[in-house]
Amino acid sequence: DAKTTQPPSMDCAEGRAANLPCNHSTISGNEYVYWYRQIHSQGPQYIIHGLKNNETNEMASLIITEDRKSSTLILPHATLRDTAVYYCIVQPPYKLSFGAGTTVTVRA
Amino acid sequence: DAMVIQNPRYQVTQFGKPVTLSCSQTLNHNVMYWYQQKSSQAPKLLFHYYDKDFNNEADTPDNFQSRRPNTSFCFLDIRSPGLGDAAMYLCATSREPPSLLPTDTQYFGPGTRLTVL
Repeated sequence: DAKTTQPPSMDCAEGRAANLPCNHSTISGNEYVYWYRQIHSQGPQYIIHGLKNNETNEMASLIITEDRKSSTLILPHATLRDTAVYYCIVQPPYKLSFGAGTTVTVRA
Repeated sequence: DAMVIQNPRYQVTQFGKPVTLSCSQTLNHNVMYWYQQKSSQAPKLLFHYYDKDFNNEADTPDNFQSRRPNTSFCFLDIRSPGLGDAAMYLCATSREPPSLLPTDTQYFGPGTRLTVL
């Protein structure tokens, strides 16, 4: 399985953009990059995924480098409700494997 | 309009006393997953059902079993819970397994927090 590396924690000011990095240098050509988040005491929630093109939806944007070895999740206007653990996952062919994730704390 | 429902949200059992956790879904998805999440750790996949086919992860202890009597329901049975089995148990669903549809997403329930006394 391709492994991911994320910073363990980061802080963000409310209303500002939050940029969450993820390294996945061993990613294979057919593996997708997924982002999920888990708010305290809730189940994980899907955010976005991509293969090689940048993606945007109502929750976030995903920027994948041209060599696909890293990506950045962007929360454009962070709110207090975005405080959560964010997981960057490279989708292996048969299961979703969660790493340690980044604990994001949005401060007022 | 809950999509993945887990009951109960909190379950207390005694050491060695069998316990069953339940999950139901209104999405009509083919795949149902069970994850274990211990305190301050990431979720870890235990097994999944693709329709009626059961797929166990290699490192899932024999103490954990699962049943899926129909599309909507899936149960997690812990035959003899130990103190180390205290955790949040998460149920998730997807339309197809990642091996068939890599772009599919998983929908998670709120989890059942299991306490073993």
